[in-house]
This record gives sequence, C-alpha cells and structure tokens, in this order.
Amino acid sequence: GAVVSQHPSWVICKSGTSVKIECRSLDFQATTMFWYRQFPKQSLMLMATSNEGSKATYEQGVEKDKFLINHASLTLSTLTVTSAHPEDSSFYICSARSPDGDTQYFGPGTRLTVL
Amino acid sequence: GENVEQHPSTLSVQEGDSAVIKCTYSDSASNYFPWYKQELGKRPQLIIDIRSNVGEKKDQRIAVTLNKTAKHFSLHITETQPEDSAVYFCAASTGGFKTIFGAGTRLFVKA
Repeated sequence: GAVVSQHPSWVICKSGTSVKIECRSLDFQATTMFWYRQFPKQSLMLMATSNEGSKATYEQGVEKDKFLINHASLTLSTLTVTSAHPEDSSFYICSARSPDGDTQYFGPGTRLTVL
Repeated sequence: GENVEQHPSTLSVQEGDSAVIKCTYSDSASNYFPWYKQELGKRPQLIIDIRSNVGEKKDQRIAVTLNKTAKHFSLHITETQPEDSAVYFCAASTGGFKTIFGAGTRLFVKA
C-alpha cells in the first residue's frame, strides 16, 4: 500500500515552454501533497504544500506564478513549471501524506532538463 | 526557523560493521521523526520512524533512538551490507504537516 506515482519520469523542454508534472496517490486518498526540488547530492527542498480544494502554500523564495500547483482531487496534484529556464532544471519529487497524517510517501521523481 | 542538522555528511564503513547517523532538531514541537533511504536516481523510501512518546524503536538491523530533552535522534544500522549503501535523510515533523529534512548522509559500505 501507500504507492505514489509521478509522471513523466523525465522531460526535456525548450526554454520558455511550460511543463506539467503529475503526482498521484494510487491506493489512498491524500488531502495533502508536497512538492520538493532536489539538486545533485543535496537534500530535499520543500517548494510548496498542496491541499486538496484550496490554494497551495509556497515556501519562502518560491515563485507561485512560476510553479503553479493544482490539487483538484484527493489523488492528484499537478505542478506546472511555466516559462521554464535552464536554471529550473532539477529533480522534482512529490510526496503524499498518509491517511494517519504523519508519514510521507514519495513519488519516483521527475528529472526536468530545460535547454 | 526550524532546522534539522545531520552528521556526518559522508560515512564509510566495512561490511559487517555498524553505522550511526545523528540528527538534531530545533523545533521542540516536533513529534514525528522518519528516516528515509534514497538510492541514486530513485525516490526516498521510508525505512523507520519514531514518535515523540517512544525512546527507541528497532526493526531487524535498523534502530532509531530519540532523546527529546536534547533534541537528538540517531539511526543505527548493524551488520552493514553493500546494499545498505545509499543516502540517508533524517527528518522532523510537527503533526504531519511541514517536514524538515536533514542534509543527508552518504553511506558507503565496502565489501
């Protein structure tokens, strides 16, 4: 149980285009999902907390107009990187909070490369 | 703000030896402490967790200890194997909301 999927697993795009990443909880409902960014050999940096049916909460320094988050259902949250630039290239990982409220289960991540 | 410090950043042990990773946290309201293992290019996987009402928890070769007074918690891996090689992250959470992760420890187990 507690499986989280993420799609796509990798994406290459041109500078200026937008990319959408999907995060799904497959066998449980997640009212809260989290989006992280991870640079090589570094820790997980929380970008935003996604709450079903309401606006996401962004961490300090994360541009909400650039990283659009939508949590339209209890099993799906999406992150859209708008007008992507090479510096947005990174490993993006989502997680879903378990029904017991404590544990986070992570998706497999999406490697974004912006040319 | 809240902070979790993790040491060491790199740890190299001989197969069969024990490995210990230590973390400290700053938010005294933290009550849930998970540990994740991340292999290269893969997702972090929960390996063990402990809540603030427990001082120690063990699962086969893995154990975690928590000292709430000192705001310290540690991961202990005994009889290490090459497949234990990975990056380990500690984390501290308050009520399952925001989780603060440590910087990670890269563990190498030499055969």
